Amino acid sequence: GAVVSQHPSWVICKSGTSVKIECRSLDFQATTMFWYRQFPKQSLMLMATSNEGSKATYEQGVEKDKFLINHASLTLSTLTVTSAHPEDSSFYICSATVRDRVNQPQHFGDGTRLSIL
Amino acid sequence: AQKITQTQPGMFVQEKEAVTLDCTYDTSDQSYGLFWYKQPSSGEMIFLIYQGSYDEQNATEGRYSLNFQKARKSANLVISASQLGDSAMYFCAMREPNTGFQKLVFGTGTRLLVSP
Repeated sequence: GAVVSQHPSWVICKSGTSVKIECRSLDFQATTMFWYRQFPKQSLMLMATSNEGSKATYEQGVEKDKFLINHASLTLSTLTVTSAHPEDSSFYICSATVRDRVNQPQHFGDGTRLSIL
Repeated sequence: AQKITQTQPGMFVQEKEAVTLDCTYDTSDQSYGLFWYKQPSSGEMIFLIYQGSYDEQNATEGRYSLNFQKARKSANLVISASQLGDSAMYFCAMREPNTGFQKLVFGTGTRLLVSP
């Protein structure tokens, strides 16, 4: 099946640093990638939708300047958490899909656990 | 308004028994897709099964089947012959074509615990 790779799996860093998370579709061209955030024991919360070659569409309440998303190619999207603070600590997970394919599932990466000290 | 409802926060089942996880949805579209995902404690989201709104037959994938009742707007996941490895969170999700980029809306999830 389709494979999405997400790196890194774990990040621990000091407050104020920026953290970049990569999401790659390994065996298909992902026209659309999604970034989610998940708090413990809660459901996935969509942060933004990323389309190759265009600006990301952010959900209401998500700070664009805090969470920078780049989808430079059909196989790679990145999420950069800028000037991270402890409240940004969370589980971040990406998914990829092919646009206009209603019956195609989103394929998820394994997620990134981010801890800001 | 909440579009996906999973009313069971937790479910218990004995190994080898069948279990049904409930999911109801709300949409005004005629064309939509319903998905079930499994999330083990390690965090990855594993796609289990898909049901299209126009599919006349209930979807099946190995031990997973979907009890799709369109008029009731329900899409319950049935896991047959439960295994210890089935212990995980299960999320029901809906994709609506007219959301542009076909976003998924997730339910709150059901935690399934399979006991020996």
